[in-house]
Amino acid sequence: EPEVTQTPSHQVTQMGQEVILRCVPISNHLYFYWYRQILGQKVEFLVSFYNNEISEKSEIFDDQFSVERPDGSNFTLKIRSTKLEDSAMYFCASSDRGTRNQPQHFGDGTRLSIL
Amino acid sequence: AQSVSQHNHHVILSEAASLELGCNYSYGGTVNLFWYVQYPGQHLQLLLKYFSGDPLVKGIKGFEAEFIKSKFSFNLRKPSVQWSDTAEYFCAVNAENQGGKLIFGQGTELSVKP
Repeated sequence: EPEVTQTPSHQVTQMGQEVILRCVPISNHLYFYWYRQILGQKVEFLVSFYNNEISEKSEIFDDQFSVERPDGSNFTLKIRSTKLEDSAMYFCASSDRGTRNQPQHFGDGTRLSIL
Repeated sequence: AQSVSQHNHHVILSEAASLELGCNYSYGGTVNLFWYVQYPGQHLQLLLKYFSGDPLVKGIKGFEAEFIKSKFSFNLRKPSVQWSDTAEYFCAVNAENQGGKLIFGQGTELSVKP
């Protein structure tokens, strides 16, 4: 079964540094998402992306965050100047149509630790 | 704002016991409903989904869930659990006309004793 893949599995970064989390969605999917889960808390929606632009973003997704689909396969999340509270598990997801018709498929996640 | 609540934080059962995990959501409009499972060290996997039609939906591995619109509930059930069902279970809701985002419950950790 095709999978969403995320790299790295664990990223350790100093506060204030930039970090890029990478995702390779399932190849024929068109809708892409980032979620995060702070330890002990709910999985929270960050952003959705379709047709090379952000279709929706949450309050969490402020100017520090950006997403990009630099080529036909990768989907990246960049945090410009990391803060301690950015420490979380970050999940990428994709679907071939909008969630109304198709469920999202999730990657294994990247654990981001900010020191 | 929409929210999803799962009543049980941690459930411990013996093998062959029956399972019911509660999930309630708050949203007055049309919703799509999901249960995802996360086995230790693995990614979130879809167990089952409800978009429309028969409110009793069957998923993989013998799981089923019933959508009760009047109660804003989508409880997950399994008649007889196995040790391999030990995992974390997440209920999620997508509200129609609210884009594609999923709103998750806080998760229920299920431990099945052999």
